[in-house]
Amino acid sequence: EAGVAQSPRYKIIEKRQSVAFWCNPISGHATLYWYQQILGQGPKLLIQFQNNGVVDDSQLPKDRFSAERLKGVDSTLKIQPAKLEDSAVYLCASSLGRAGGAEQYFGPGTRLTVT
Amino acid sequence: AQTVTQSQPEMSVQEAETVTLSCTYDTSESDYYLFWYKQPPSRQMILVIRQEAYKQQNATENRFSVNFQKAAKSFSLKISDSQLGDAAMYFCAYRDSGGGADGLTFGKGTHLIIQP
Repeated sequence: EAGVAQSPRYKIIEKRQSVAFWCNPISGHATLYWYQQILGQGPKLLIQFQNNGVVDDSQLPKDRFSAERLKGVDSTLKIQPAKLEDSAVYLCASSLGRAGGAEQYFGPGTRLTVT
Repeated sequence: AQTVTQSQPEMSVQEAETVTLSCTYDTSESDYYLFWYKQPPSRQMILVIRQEAYKQQNATENRFSVNFQKAAKSFSLKISDSQLGDAAMYFCAYRDSGGGADGLTFGKGTHLIIQP
C-alpha cells in the first residue's frame, strides 16, 4: 500500500513570508497528525485530526499556524507569517484510529528553512 | 504532562556486537504504550518495536528487544548483532492508551553509530 505522502520535500522562505505544506495520508486512515521536528530534537505534536475534526491542537501556535483537513482526507498546514524559529522538519503521520495501539505511519517530511 | 528522557545523545558500537539504548519516562497513567522509532538520514520515521504497559512480557522483534521496567519507568532498547543498516537516530516515544488525544511524546533521540 502507498505510504503517507508529503509535499514539498524542501522549502526555503524569508521570514514574514507564508508557506503551506500538504499531506495525503494512507487510504482509510481516519487519524492524521502534524509534528514539528527542530534540528537535534524529537518531533513535537502540533495538531491531531480525527476525520475532519480537531482532537488536539494544544501545542499549535495559533497566532501563526493553521491546519485543516477537508473531507477527512488530505491536510494542509500553513504558517503565516513565518519566523526564524519555525525552521524545522514538518512530519505528517496517519493511523487507522485512536483505539488500541494503532500504529502511526510517518511521511518523509518537509524541511523548512526560514532565512 | 508526560515527558520522555533519552540520556545518551550518541552511542557507538562495533558491527555484530550488542548495544543498549536507554529511555526513561514520566507519567501518572497506569495504561499506556511505549515505542522505539528509527529515523535514518532520509527522515522517514520507522517503527522498530512497541510495548503495551499492561503486558509484563518484554517485546521482541527479531534482533530488537526491550527491557521494560514499569515501576522504574524505564524502557531500554537492545539491538543484537548490530548491522551497518542500523545506523540512525533512535527515538523513544510515549502515548496514552485512553480515548482522546493520542499524539506521541518523543525523547530527544540517540544517534547510533555502527563501526565496521
